[in-house]
Amino acid sequence: SQKIEQNSEALNIQEGKTATLTCNYTNYSPAYLQWYRQDPGRGPVFLLLIRENEKEKRKERLKVTFDTTLKQSLFHITASQPADSATYLCALDRGSTLGRLYFGRGTQLTVWP
Amino acid sequence: GAVVSQHPSWVICKSGTSVKIECRSLDFQATTMFWYRQFPKQSLMLMATSNEGSKATYEQGVEKDKFLINHASLTLSTLTVTSAHPEDSSFYICSAETGSYNEQFFGPGTRLTVL
Repeated sequence: SQKIEQNSEALNIQEGKTATLTCNYTNYSPAYLQWYRQDPGRGPVFLLLIRENEKEKRKERLKVTFDTTLKQSLFHITASQPADSATYLCALDRGSTLGRLYFGRGTQLTVWP
Repeated sequence: GAVVSQHPSWVICKSGTSVKIECRSLDFQATTMFWYRQFPKQSLMLMATSNEGSKATYEQGVEKDKFLINHASLTLSTLTVTSAHPEDSSFYICSAETGSYNEQFFGPGTRLTVL
């Protein structure tokens, strides 16, 4: 089965800095990888999807990279704000049935003023 | 954007009773819905895949007779936790896909507490 590791449980950074979150996986390479934001007591909210043939994708202050050789994805939030504080989850497709996702435990990001 | 709702948002029940959770796609038709469970500080664990008009596909280790899933229409899937026990207390979240497999839209979750 797929194993997903997100670099740390918690990451604390100062407002304005760039937050970098890591997602590593083992076993098979997924067709695509997704990043979600989850606030306490809420369901995840989709942020970005990157496919196996894409190296990088951007959306406003967000950037995702995907290195299938390293089996790693990096998720960057530039010019971070306290409102970015949340848990960020990476998810990989299961490779067999479309839509079935493996989720990492998440990294809890805190941006302090 | 696509909106998924869940009802109830939280429920407390006695051990041995059954609880039904509804998941609705409000502004799109979802041929496939997914049910997840999340324990504190843990990742979302997929329980089952629900397809409209057919039986749900359960993940390994999930008891299909305990977690009954019905996907009666393209906008509604229900999860019934039968004979609930305290260890079933968790955060249950559904999601729906729009047809392309690019992204899933998640409901706000249902907090179940079994006394």
